[in-house]
Amino acid sequence: ETGVTQTPRHLVMGMTNKKSLKCEQHLGHNAMYWYKQSAKKPLELMFVYNFKEQTENNSVPSRFSPECPNSSHLFLHLHTLQPEDSALYLCASSRREPGTAFTGELFFGEGSRLTVL
Amino acid sequence: GENVEQHPSTLSVQEGDSAVIKCTYSDSASNYFPWYKQELGKRPQLIIDIRSNVGEKKDQRIAVTLNKTAKHFSLHITETQPEDSAVYFCAASKRSGAGSYQLTFGKGTKLSVIP
Repeated sequence: ETGVTQTPRHLVMGMTNKKSLKCEQHLGHNAMYWYKQSAKKPLELMFVYNFKEQTENNSVPSRFSPECPNSSHLFLHLHTLQPEDSALYLCASSRREPGTAFTGELFFGEGSRLTVL
Repeated sequence: GENVEQHPSTLSVQEGDSAVIKCTYSDSASNYFPWYKQELGKRPQLIIDIRSNVGEKKDQRIAVTLNKTAKHFSLHITETQPEDSAVYFCAASKRSGAGSYQLTFGKGTKLSVIP
């Protein structure tokens, strides 16, 4: 039982391609996140969605476009990426109590390894 | 914004010895400090966390201590085993400008337990 499922696990794309990463959580959580994990750097928060509403965008370039159609699904649309965008993209979910700001334990997916040529 | 420093970046210990990983944070308003373990090729998973109203928390061979005055917290693993080999990330939770809490992670510590 994985809880948070990400597809594809590996993706190679050219700088002019358009692709999407998909995340699905089966835990009944109401908050979902995209993180970027690069070698020798901290996990970087990209986007946060609470109850399907985007609440955080940490100065992420517009070539990354998130979409959250419902509380169980999260997408990251990729367009005109740069080689430095190559990284492991991790999706996570948590149960955020209504009326509180507490994040709660993050449950991560296995990640999508992106290589931009 | 919040800045989390984690040391050491790599740590090798003999099986059975203890391992200590230390983190410092900059924002005195941070009040939640989780630790995540990421095995090679696997997802990060929460192993222990501590809130700012507690100074120490223990779960079997793992313990975390928090010093709010000095703004540092540490992970202690006793009687290390080969399966403890992984990358460990500390994090601090701060309230963002948007009003929600978000985690700022350290760079990680690669722990190797030598049999």
